[in-house]
This record gives sequence, C-alpha cells and structure tokens, in this order.
Amino acid sequence: AQTVTQSQPEMSVQEAETVTLSCTYDTSESDYYLFWYKQPPSRQMILVIRQEAYKQQNATENRFSVNFQKAAKSFSLKISDSQLGDAAMYFCAYSNYGGSQGNLIFGKGTKLSVKP
Amino acid sequence: EPEVTQTPSHQVTQMGQEVILRCVPISNHLYFYWYRQILGQKVEFLVSFYNNEISEKSEIFDDQFSVERPDGSNFTLKIRSTKLEDSAMYFCASSYPPRTGANVLTFGAGSRLTVL
Repeated sequence: AQTVTQSQPEMSVQEAETVTLSCTYDTSESDYYLFWYKQPPSRQMILVIRQEAYKQQNATENRFSVNFQKAAKSFSLKISDSQLGDAAMYFCAYSNYGGSQGNLIFGKGTKLSVKP
Repeated sequence: EPEVTQTPSHQVTQMGQEVILRCVPISNHLYFYWYRQILGQKVEFLVSFYNNEISEKSEIFDDQFSVERPDGSNFTLKIRSTKLEDSAMYFCASSYPPRTGANVLTFGAGSRLTVL
C-alpha cells in the first residue's frame, strides 16, 4: 500500500525568506501523481502544485516549486519570498495513475507559520 | 472562482443518531468524493461517486455510511447510527477528470462532526 510521510509537524519562516517542506512517499508504481495542498485556518484545501511522476522536470507555480526525486521517493515543496498569506497547513498527497486517481493518500500535514 | 460548499459547518449529535452531511459540488464536475480527518490524524479517503453510483470506497466506508446525489446538485453523506469514533472533520470534494494528466480535486471547507 502507498504511504505518504511528512516529517515536519510544524515549520516557521520569516516573511520574504524561503522555506522547504519535506515529503516522502512509498509506492511500487512507476506512474503516479503527487500534490501539495494548502489549507488556511477554517478554509478549504486548495491545490498549490502538482507533479506527474513521468515528467522529469520539477513543477513550478510562481513562488512555489517542488524538488521531485523519483528514485529517493521524495517530493519537497519550496516556498520563495514567503508572505503572511502563506501561513497554513500544507498537505502532501499521492494518487495512482489511472482509475483510482480520486483516492488521494495524504500525509499528516505541516503547519507553516510566517513571522512578520 | 467556483467552490464546493458544505453544510453544516459544525454538527453535534448524540451517539446512535443519524447524521446527514451535505455538499454542493462544482456544477460541471462529474466525480464526487468524501474524505474525513479525525483530529490529529491524516485526511482519509472514504468514497468516490460517479454516474450515480459508488466507483470506489475504502475500508472505513462500511454499512453505516451511505452516499446519495438526490437532486442533481447536492451530494450527501449519511451516517446511520453515529459512534464516538465518527467524530471528525468530513470533507467533500469534486472533480472533472481530464483526458490526460492529474485528476485535481476541489475540496470544500469541511463539516465538523462531534458525537457525544
């Protein structure tokens, strides 16, 4: 069975600085998808970034980028130029390629605080 | 931007009572999901629903649970006889899977269920 591990329950970053959130996963599949979701307090989870395992190039979305290391089964999220609005719970998630894509497997989350 | 809306935001119930959690998915989405998060634990997949039937369910989704799309806009999760361990945040999600690439879920803000 696939698993997702986020080893940092909490992280803190100074406004305008860069922070990296860690995620590792375990799967025997060669094709799959990885996601980072952000959940601000009392709000819904929103997609931050996604990565297809068959793509070697790391995904980027503005200030958010990932370091996808397929062999190491690692998928870290880098937030550059951190802003106060980045403060949230961040979840790493995995889904299979194909039929069961809606069955996301989540990590426990990392709570990110941003200090002004 | 379209949102998934969930009601109620918080429900308190007595053990053994029936509970219905409601969700309005994004209107053109085809797949609908329920996830739950017990306090301090991971977000867990419960069920996916497509074309008016369950397409996938987890081991958690036993006979106490049922889902329905009664009127073409609402998507409901019913817990027949609640137990203390059903206390959790329940998230609804919906998606429109692309022909290629990742199936991105849009989540609601959640319904917190407290069973006393």
